[in-house]
Amino acid sequence: AQSVTQPDIHITVSEGASLELRCNYSYGATPYLFWYVQSPGQGLQLLLKYFSGDTLVQGIKGFEAEFKRSQSSFNLRKPSVHWSDAAEYFCAVGVGDYKLSFGAGTTVTVRA
Amino acid sequence: SAVISQKPSRDICQRGTSLTIQCQVDSQVTMMFWYRQQPGQSLTLIATANQGSEATYESGFVIDKFPISRPNLTFSTLTVSNMSPEDSSIYLCSVDSAGSDEQFFGPGTRLTVL
Repeated sequence: AQSVTQPDIHITVSEGASLELRCNYSYGATPYLFWYVQSPGQGLQLLLKYFSGDTLVQGIKGFEAEFKRSQSSFNLRKPSVHWSDAAEYFCAVGVGDYKLSFGAGTTVTVRA
Repeated sequence: SAVISQKPSRDICQRGTSLTIQCQVDSQVTMMFWYRQQPGQSLTLIATANQGSEATYESGFVIDKFPISRPNLTFSTLTVSNMSPEDSSIYLCSVDSAGSDEQFFGPGTRLTVL
């Protein structure tokens, strides 16, 4: 069965520091992978996606993610976080018929 | 991208009642989905809303509890029937953009059942 694991429930990072959020997936075929962000009281916004091709994907708000097939991972990174990056981050995998399976999410707290 | 609106944005309901949530998209889309996000949890797919036919439900969700309508390519409703406090969640509508596997989400409906 397809699944997505986000090992870190909560991460606290200082403003200006780098951020990396982990995501591991289990899927039989070539995965379609996504990262979404959910700010407090907001809907989900797509940060970036990977379908094929270059394994380093650039997204919005300065985020990037790297697909590593050998590790079944799709980790999200940002070189320097801003206070506005405090939010919940969800990794998701496309599971066919345009449906998504989401990880449990990682809450990011940014301290001044 | 698609712009999605949901009504109501939030509601507080009594146990045993039903609530219908509307999802409106600003363009015609093929695929529409309904997700549930329980407090502090991730998103779980409830069903795929099919235009002109019955919705396709995921394991653990049934039509009697979550009837769905999809009368056209821009609109869908989800009804949460005979509500209990366990139904307190955020319900989100999403659409697939032209079969691209990129989904756009509505702002969600925050439901509290007392």
